[in-house]
Amino acid sequence: EDQVTQSPEALRLQEGESSSLNCSYTVSGLRGLFWYRQDPGKGPEFLFTLYSAGEEKEKERLKATLTKKESFLHITAPKPEDSATYLCAVRTFHYGGSQGNLIFGKGTKLSVKP
Amino acid sequence: NAGVTQTPKFQVLKTGQSMTLQCAQDMNHNSMYWYRQDPGMGLRLIYYSASEGTTDKGEVPNGYNVSRLNKREFSLRLESAAPSQTSVYFCASRRQNSNQPQHFGDGTRLSIL
Repeated sequence: EDQVTQSPEALRLQEGESSSLNCSYTVSGLRGLFWYRQDPGKGPEFLFTLYSAGEEKEKERLKATLTKKESFLHITAPKPEDSATYLCAVRTFHYGGSQGNLIFGKGTKLSVKP
Repeated sequence: NAGVTQTPKFQVLKTGQSMTLQCAQDMNHNSMYWYRQDPGMGLRLIYYSASEGTTDKGEVPNGYNVSRLNKREFSLRLESAAPSQTSVYFCASRRQNSNQPQHFGDGTRLSIL
């Protein structure tokens, strides 16, 4: 069974304290891994897509990396406005992957204190 | 740019009542999706429509029906609401092309008493 596990469930950082969020996956065949940001009361907002092991994507203070078993979302010198829940999702060769269906992890809630 | 618009934003129902959640996208996307999000469960797919005229069940379809009205609109119907359907419902759409991401609306918060 295809699975996506995110850790930790919650993370509290001080402003400027860099850290990483983890997304580990067990899938029969990976077609893509997606990172989203979700603010309270809002829908998920797309951040990155990663396709193959070794790939990296960056956006401001965020950097996403991918290996054959997991992805990391590195946050460098975070600011309070980076506080949100970060969701990881995978698209596989099964489970409707040909229709673009995603399997989501439960998310990591990040809080950055000034 | 409106993107994906969901209505209503909030709703309270009594057990047994029926309701239709509306979703419309203005990005000319082919594929549309309905999810529910519950604490500790993550996003779970209810139904999806790969293209206009087709709909398929997702992970948790029981108690729901959908209609792909046209390319822009995809509605979710609860025929006889149950307390277990209290949740936040999200609609998403996607361009049907390689690994394009899904784009989400801001959700409908539904409480069933």
